Amino acid sequence: SQTIHQWPATLVQPVGSPLSLECTVEGTSNPNLYWYRQAAGRGLQLLFYSVGIGQISSEVPQNLSASRPQDRQFILSSKKLLLSDSGFYLCAWSLAQAGGAEYFGPGTRLTVL
Amino acid sequence: GQQVMQIPQYQHVQEGEDFTTYCNSSTTLSNIQWYKQRPGGHPVFLIQLVKSGEVKKQKRLTFQFGEAKKNSSLHITATQTTDVGTYFCAPNSGGYQKVTFGTGTKLQVIP
Repeated sequence: SQTIHQWPATLVQPVGSPLSLECTVEGTSNPNLYWYRQAAGRGLQLLFYSVGIGQISSEVPQNLSASRPQDRQFILSSKKLLLSDSGFYLCAWSLAQAGGAEYFGPGTRLTVL
Repeated sequence: GQQVMQIPQYQHVQEGEDFTTYCNSSTTLSNIQWYKQRPGGHPVFLIQLVKSGEVKKQKRLTFQFGEAKKNSSLHITATQTTDVGTYFCAPNSGGYQKVTFGTGTKLQVIP
């Protein structure tokens, strides 16, 4: 069966510090991968998605970036965090087909102080 | 582009009452998915509807896809406290590798 891992579960970072969140998927090959951000009590904002190694599509211009160095690894990064980067970051995967169901990881709660 | 409206935004019901959330799209959809997010948790995929007029049931949950494939609903019969959470629809217009999530309906069940 497929599983998705995200770490860390919680993170508190000062403004201006770098960020690296990692997501890995097990039990499937060539998945589509996604990064979402959810502000407290709000909806899901798609940040990035990837249909293959090294292929990243950005949905929202910001100071975040994503990379996919391996088939089942997706990394979200920032060089300098802003207060507005606080939120619940969710990684998800889906089978490589248009409109497939997305399966979410447990998420990382990021607080930028 | 595709615009998605999910209503209501919030709903408080007494335990045992029914609950319905609606998802409306400005464009014809290829399919629509529904997800549930418990407080403090991550969204969990519930179901996908593909066919015009499709109705699917999962225990006390009934999912419908409109005949015109522009709207969908999720109905919960006799709510329980375990139903608490936010329900998101995720319509897909086809031809994309991603879905667009609705704004969600937050359900609170009063015991």
